[in-house]
Amino acid sequence: EIVMTQSPATLSVSPGERATLSCRASQSVSTNVAWYQQKPGQAPRLLIYGASTRATGIPARFSGSGSGTEFTLTITSLQSEDFAVYYCQQYSTWPPEEAFGPGTKVDIK
Amino acid sequence: QVQLLQSGAEVKEPGASVKVSCKASGYTFTTSAIHWVRQAPGQRPEWMGWISTDLGNTRYSQKFQGRVTIARDTSASTAHLELSSLRSEDTAVYYCARDRKDVLTGSYYFDYWGQGTLVTVSS
Repeated sequence: EIVMTQSPATLSVSPGERATLSCRASQSVSTNVAWYQQKPGQAPRLLIYGASTRATGIPARFSGSGSGTEFTLTITSLQSEDFAVYYCQQYSTWPPEEAFGPGTKVDIK
Repeated sequence: QVQLLQSGAEVKEPGASVKVSCKASGYTFTTSAIHWVRQAPGQRPEWMGWISTDLGNTRYSQKFQGRVTIARDTSASTAHLELSSLRSEDTAVYYCARDRKDVLTGSYYFDYWGQGTLVTVSS
């Protein structure tokens, strides 16, 4: 079983600043990583797949990088609507049990 | 546009069963599988199972094996989740999600999600 971890658990950032979120897999998942944004009371929304490809309609201030076991989601110039919880998910294994990381909450500094 | 519209909130007593539906629109239902994912308060999403909407094949998480049934009605473009023998720990928001193939790796991720259905288990 591949275990996904995320750091930090909470990230306090001022509007307009950059946020860097980390995700680690316990073994290689190639580039089979997706990032999701979740706001209170809403469903997760796909931001990034393939570790670095933005989903349809996602602003360019969101970018993903990494391969193997280390992945990063970067949000440049944080907007008010970006304060949320972010989850990484590996989809290298089937079925996708225990595929999500514990999340990083980005809140206002 | 792709939409997955789920049925409304449910309150159930321990030991009962619950059925949640997910109606797809904006695409051909049988071209993408549907997954069910639940999320307890303050927790990460948790995969429950999957159905291939064309053939009706299913696969369930070992955690829910024996208690979960996923089905689909292609004429109604709808997938259903049924969870039985409910206990308080099953209180969560239940989501359906569509899968999409990563053309570079051949693996599947979730691209669209339903709005979620809150299931509360309480006596």
